[in-house]
Amino acid sequence: NAGVTQTPKFQVLKTGQSMTLQCAQDMNHEYMSWYRQDPGMGLRLIHYSVGAGITDQGEVPNGYNVSRSTTEDFPLRLLSAAPSQTSVYFCASSYGGGGYGYTFGSGTRLTVV
Amino acid sequence: GESVGLHLPTLSVQEGDNSIINCAYSNSASDYFIWYKQESGKGPQFIIDIRSNMDKRQGQRVTVLLNKTVKHLSLQIAATQPGDSAVYFCGSTDKLIFGTGTRLQVFP
Repeated sequence: NAGVTQTPKFQVLKTGQSMTLQCAQDMNHEYMSWYRQDPGMGLRLIHYSVGAGITDQGEVPNGYNVSRSTTEDFPLRLLSAAPSQTSVYFCASSYGGGGYGYTFGSGTRLTVV
Repeated sequence: GESVGLHLPTLSVQEGDNSIINCAYSNSASDYFIWYKQESGKGPQFIIDIRSNMDKRQGQRVTVLLNKTVKHLSLQIAATQPGDSAVYFCGSTDKLIFGTGTRLQVFP
């Protein structure tokens, strides 16, 4: 099993551009979420989903959109990239929700210039 | 709002010693807590969890203690090894809110 796969691993965007960070899991997990991690800071929750068709906001949702059309995929969209969105983004999934035994992807390092 | 925080940003220990990493939480309704380890350049990895109806849980070389009275939990690592060097995060339900992390440095 691949676990949680994030693509791309690295990305550079210009201010105002839009893009989608991909996240896919093959463990049939219901619960998926996106975090961002900035230098010297912990993981901050952007959006999460408790199942296909259901999404909700986390701590720092502004500037990001998500959708969950399938159990496997949970893409994160940056609508109009800003330098403040320069960060490392992690996707995570869990079987039972509520954070039980989360599996994290390897991260996407995004730079907005 | 709910918060999960750690007391110290960096902990330095000698190889072979025991390490104790502390965490405080604010939401008394939290019923599940998790510890993660993040090595440089990698995503967090699950270490151990504990439910609120327990006060102690042991894994391989790790023990998590939960004190609900003072809303505090700790991660104890026995016989710390160089491979334990990482940032350690505690998290709580429901949305998996993490603290800022403690960097554990192991020196020979």
